[in-house]
Amino acid sequence: QQQVKQSPQSLIVQKGGISIINCAYENTAFDYFPWYQQFPGKGPALLIAIRPDVSEKKEGRFTISFNKSAKQFSLHIMDSQPGDSATYFCAAIIANRDDKIIFGKGTRLHILP
Amino acid sequence: ETGVTQSPTHLIKTRGQQVTLRCSSQSGHNTVSWYQQALGQGPQFIFQYYREEENGRGNFPPRFSGLQFPNYSSELNVNALELDDSALYLCASSLERIGGYAGELFFGEGSRLTVL
Repeated sequence: QQQVKQSPQSLIVQKGGISIINCAYENTAFDYFPWYQQFPGKGPALLIAIRPDVSEKKEGRFTISFNKSAKQFSLHIMDSQPGDSATYFCAAIIANRDDKIIFGKGTRLHILP
Repeated sequence: ETGVTQSPTHLIKTRGQQVTLRCSSQSGHNTVSWYQQALGQGPQFIFQYYREEENGRGNFPPRFSGLQFPNYSSELNVNALELDDSALYLCASSLERIGGYAGELFFGEGSRLTVL
């Protein structure tokens, strides 16, 4: 049972463009939604995270949009750069229970120079 | 401040063997969790240790077991290895929860296990 569905599986964007990755979740008990960035040969690193009491969070070129009623959230990367080429994972967690984090399957992003 | 370190980085085992993977948590972190990442997939939660006790477990059979030591380092043991156990095993450490929300996870670079 996949509790966090992520799309697309892969994405190619021109340098300077906007990269958009979408995720949907099923369990309404999730209350913390982080995004992780993973480069080849490295472990995932936290990029940005949001709690369901806000609809948007922005950090530099990275923005999370959150739609609680639709149970969807998305990552927007503005002015995408070749250095952003990596695999991105959305995740969801029930923070007050056992901190078991559920990851999406990942999106492989490639930014064309 | 040192980050999360894992060893070994790569290893090859045969079906039926046992393996132990090791993780040193980031300085000051008292919670360690382990994840299995199959090729092209997201990490899957195996279990978490907090102050030397298992504190949450994912859908993995009992042949996956672990330990956390007083210095908060941790081991993942897998018995009776199967071909499907081939994956990248990631360790992550975090600080004790504050205000009910999970602390940020800091991942190591992983141990890549190949089972032949």
